[in-house]
Amino acid sequence: GNSVTQMEGPVTLSEEAFLTINCTYTATGYPSLFWYVQYPGEGLQLLLKATKADDKGSNKGFEATYRKETTSFHLEKGSVQVSDSAVYFCALVHGSGNTGKLIFGQGTTLQVKP
Amino acid sequence: DAGVTQSPTHLIKTRGQQVTLRCSPKSGHDTVSWYQQALGQGPQFIFQYYEEEERQRGNFPDRFSGHQFPNYSSELNVNALLLGDSALYLCASSGRQGGTQETQYFGPGTRLLVL
Repeated sequence: GNSVTQMEGPVTLSEEAFLTINCTYTATGYPSLFWYVQYPGEGLQLLLKATKADDKGSNKGFEATYRKETTSFHLEKGSVQVSDSAVYFCALVHGSGNTGKLIFGQGTTLQVKP
Repeated sequence: DAGVTQSPTHLIKTRGQQVTLRCSPKSGHDTVSWYQQALGQGPQFIFQYYEEEERQRGNFPDRFSGHQFPNYSSELNVNALLLGDSALYLCASSGRQGGTQETQYFGPGTRLLVL
């Protein structure tokens, strides 16, 4: 079945370091891919998305490229800030029309130290 | 433009009780999905409502039921609560744009603790 696998956390970085969080997926066909972010005590916020192969999603300095050949959607940011500390979830939706359900990875905790 | 809202924010129940959680979708959205997020895990899909009917269901027992109203708001009901039902319950709304599934937007969640 469809699934998403993320790199184990926590990831601890110093401020202004480069960030990569790996995400790979298993799915038939052409799912849409998402990164959501969850700050402590809050719900999920959409960070970025990509709906077809080679699409690049970007937002707030974060980027991820839909790589069908490697079934990956790795999240990157050139220079992280303390305020980026949160849990990041990679997800896919697979289904036509309004029947799609989101399948999430287990989440990766990012800690950025000043 | 109000986003997805959920109530209550926190809830404490005891085993065997029943609970109802509520969700109002983002303006213009007609589809509501519910997810359960256990501590330290990713959200798990419970079910999705569209046109007041359950369109799709995840691997959850019949103790979990829902409803969608004509104004697209939704309720999640859980009967015979178990300790393992303690979790953050997230509601997400979406709408159809150009005939395809639009992105799901999440509410802040309801944190349920079962004692």
